[in-house]
Amino acid sequence: DQQVKQNSPSLSVQEGRISILNCDYTNSMFDYFLWYKKYPAEGPTFLISISSIKDKNEDGRFTVFLNKSAKHLSLHIVPSQPGDSAVYFCAASQYGNKLVFGAGTILRVKS
Amino acid sequence: GAVVSQHPSRVICKSGTSVKIECRSLDFQATTMFWYRQFPKQSLMLMATSNEGSKATYEQGVEKDKFLINHASLTLSTLTVTSAHPEDSSFYICSARVIRLAGTDTQYFGPGTRLTVL
Repeated sequence: DQQVKQNSPSLSVQEGRISILNCDYTNSMFDYFLWYKKYPAEGPTFLISISSIKDKNEDGRFTVFLNKSAKHLSLHIVPSQPGDSAVYFCAASQYGNKLVFGAGTILRVKS
Repeated sequence: GAVVSQHPSRVICKSGTSVKIECRSLDFQATTMFWYRQFPKQSLMLMATSNEGSKATYEQGVEKDKFLINHASLTLSTLTVTSAHPEDSSFYICSARVIRLAGTDTQYFGPGTRLTVL
């Protein structure tokens, strides 16, 4: 049972444009959501998070939007840069419990 | 802050030997650390939750006698792959939990350890 789903295995975006990565979840008990970026043969790097009491959190070029009624969150990267090319994982947790990861989306930013 | 290190970064061993991987939180104390495994082109698979001073909690299907976890201090957790076999070859990643404000519970990951069993 996949509780966190990233339905797009890959995304290709032109440099300077917006990248939008999507994530859906099924467990309504999740109250904390995170995005991680991962390069091959490296550990994931924490990017940004959002708690369920908010619907938006912004940090520089990264913004995460949470739509609780739709059980959907998205990560916006603007402007996209070639160095953003990586695998992006969405993760969710119920406070104090383990993270549940999505399958990841490969982002390619073309220059 | 919130830096997590792993050692070694890469290890090659013969079948039947045991391998120990260390995970350290460098600038914070972590009462809870996690061990993950990643197969090629797949997502992270949680193996176990390591709690300082107590036994680890293993996920379903993970052999606790094969993957020994010790969390002896607030900054160190170790994973020992006992009697390793080629099918144990994988990328092992640890993370440490940081709880700062109510409702913010973030895991920071180590760089990973590539284990190859010949």
